[in-house]
Amino acid sequence: SQQGEEDPQALSIQEGENATMNCSYKTSINNLQWYRQNSGRGLVHLILIRSNEREKHSGRLRVTLDTSKKSSSLLITASRAADTASYFCATGQSNFGNEKLTFGTGTRLTIIP
Amino acid sequence: NAGVTQTPKFQVLKTGQSMTLQCAQDMNHEYMSWYRQDPGMGLRLIHYSVGAGITDQGEVPNGYNVSRSTTEDFPLRLLSAAPSQTSVYFCASSLDRQNTEAFFGQGTRLTVV
Repeated sequence: SQQGEEDPQALSIQEGENATMNCSYKTSINNLQWYRQNSGRGLVHLILIRSNEREKHSGRLRVTLDTSKKSSSLLITASRAADTASYFCATGQSNFGNEKLTFGTGTRLTIIP
Repeated sequence: NAGVTQTPKFQVLKTGQSMTLQCAQDMNHEYMSWYRQDPGMGLRLIHYSVGAGITDQGEVPNGYNVSRSTTEDFPLRLLSAAPSQTSVYFCASSLDRQNTEAFFGQGTRLTVV
């Protein structure tokens, strides 16, 4: 069964607005990663947050992690048309890591110019 | 570096046929994985490898075989294709288990008729 669930499943916002998407997971993790997938393409890594971290920034991206609630959020600020894509969270569980990532079902983000 | 290379990009098979999806990486990564992506279901792990000569099953291994004779290559074999194996297949590799990201190939879109 899927470890992660993203919320919302789809999100449409105006260019320039901020986009927030959430991820929940079920078991203990070592880290949580966010990936972007453009239509018909492979996944591109965005950011990795370790289980002992609470917040991380990378450019216009801000990720938070709450291990007590088993949840994470990805904030994209000042959105651009090029941010239109699907976003997935992925978790590496306690005894494993990148070889056995568990993905959520994704959030489809559409930026309206 | 080419990164993770998957071939072919597209394939149509008849039910019962067999074929091998190729995956090669030139980054000297120990960890490699195969996922399938179906609409609305995110990515699901088929098989993974933590090094040459070592493979293990993921979430959905039935109908698929893998081998890892070299660090660079991790082919996925469909033994007897079924319509339920119609999907997009992604190969991924990573340098280490937990501290860095996974790199994905561009995917193989497989249709079984």
